[in-house]
Amino acid sequence: VIWMTQSPSLLSASTGDRVTISCRMSQGISSYLAWYQQKPGKAPELLIYAASTLQSGVPSRFSGSGSGTDFTLTISCLQSEDFATYYCQQYYSFPTTFGQGTRLEIK
Amino acid sequence: EVQLLESGGGLVQPGGSLRLSCAASGFTFSSYAMSWVRQAPGKGLEWVSAISGSGGSTYYADSVKGRFTISRDNSKNTLYLQMNSLRAEDTAVYYCAKDLALSGMVQGVVVDWGQGTLVTVSS
Repeated sequence: VIWMTQSPSLLSASTGDRVTISCRMSQGISSYLAWYQQKPGKAPELLIYAASTLQSGVPSRFSGSGSGTDFTLTISCLQSEDFATYYCQQYYSFPTTFGQGTRLEIK
Repeated sequence: EVQLLESGGGLVQPGGSLRLSCAASGFTFSSYAMSWVRQAPGKGLEWVSAISGSGGSTYYADSVKGRFTISRDNSKNTLYLQMNSLRAEDTAVYYCAKDLALSGMVQGVVVDWGQGTLVTVSS
């Protein structure tokens, strides 16, 4: 099983800020990493896959980077609709695993 | 438009069984692997099980292996999850999930999600 450490668990920021969320793997996974956004009471939505490929329809203020064991999700200019919980997911091997989540809240 | 509609959730006693169904529409069902992902109340996401487009390959999380069985009926565009020997820790919203890759092979990236069905295991 590949273990993941997602940080921070809670992030306070303001509209217009640039924020980053980190995901670290217990072993290398090449670029087999995805990022999801989840709002309360809703199903998650895919933002990024293959570490840096933006899913169709996702705003360009979202970006992903990294390979191997260290990955980052960046939101370049926070909008009000971005305050949500974010999860990373490795799909290099099964069982696929999710990070613990990062709750992004308004400062 | 892709639609995934789960059903079959509810309250069940510990040790009991439940079968979840997911009716899919808006895409060629047999061309995509499908998964079940769950989320316990107030907790994070946990992948449960996946099945290839043909149904020939299945995968399970260690936490459900031997108790849950994933299957699909491509003639009915429906995904199933048979859950036996249920435990309190299986209490969660269960999401039906469609893979991103148009290959039928299980990749694990979820591009479409159902609205979820709540399973509560309690006496």
